[in-house]
Amino acid sequence: KQEVTQIPAALSVPEGENLVLNCSFTDSAIYNLQWFRQDPGKGLTSLLLIQSSQREQTSGRLNASLDKSSGRSTLYIAASQPGDSATYLCALADTGRRALTFGSGTRLQVQP
Amino acid sequence: NAGVMQNPRHLVRRRGQEARLRCSPMKGHSHVYWYRQLPEEGLKFMVYLQKENIIDESGMPKERFSAEFPKEGPSILRIQQVVRGDSAAYFCASSQYRTKTQETQYFGPGTRLLVL
Repeated sequence: KQEVTQIPAALSVPEGENLVLNCSFTDSAIYNLQWFRQDPGKGLTSLLLIQSSQREQTSGRLNASLDKSSGRSTLYIAASQPGDSATYLCALADTGRRALTFGSGTRLQVQP
Repeated sequence: NAGVMQNPRHLVRRRGQEARLRCSPMKGHSHVYWYRQLPEEGLKFMVYLQKENIIDESGMPKERFSAEFPKEGPSILRIQQVVRGDSAAYFCASSQYRTKTQETQYFGPGTRLLVL
């Protein structure tokens, strides 16, 4: 059974810092990995999707990497802004299933 | 192109009543997923449907819960005889299948169910 862990659970940084969020998983047989952000009381916004054959994806100030052999993914946020404050979720689609398995998230607070 | 729509956004029910949650997928999407987020917990998969078919219901409780995605109209998640433990945020996601590795799920704003 796939297990997804996100560390740290919460993170507070001053504006302008570069930061890294971590996601680890136990089963490397996956189709893809997605990073989402969730604002309080809101739905999920898809940020990046990395296919199982890819190593990284970039979108603006965001860069996500995938290392299946070690069961890890990282989300790098450059030059953080207060508007980046949200909970960031990592989710995997296991081979043979279409459902996503989610981590418990990292709650990010960027201080102005 | 409107995103995934869910209604109602908030729903209050008393124990023993029925709750009906609706989800309209994005235009052109024929795959719908339901997830539940219990207070202070992560999102858990419940059920995956295509038009008129339930494909995977491995995450859905066997009793009181049912889901459908008719040929016409929204997907419905139905909870009969609600209990306080059903209080949660229920999220719907839709996708337009390309390949297994490229599928991106797009989420709606959720329905917050409170059982009194």
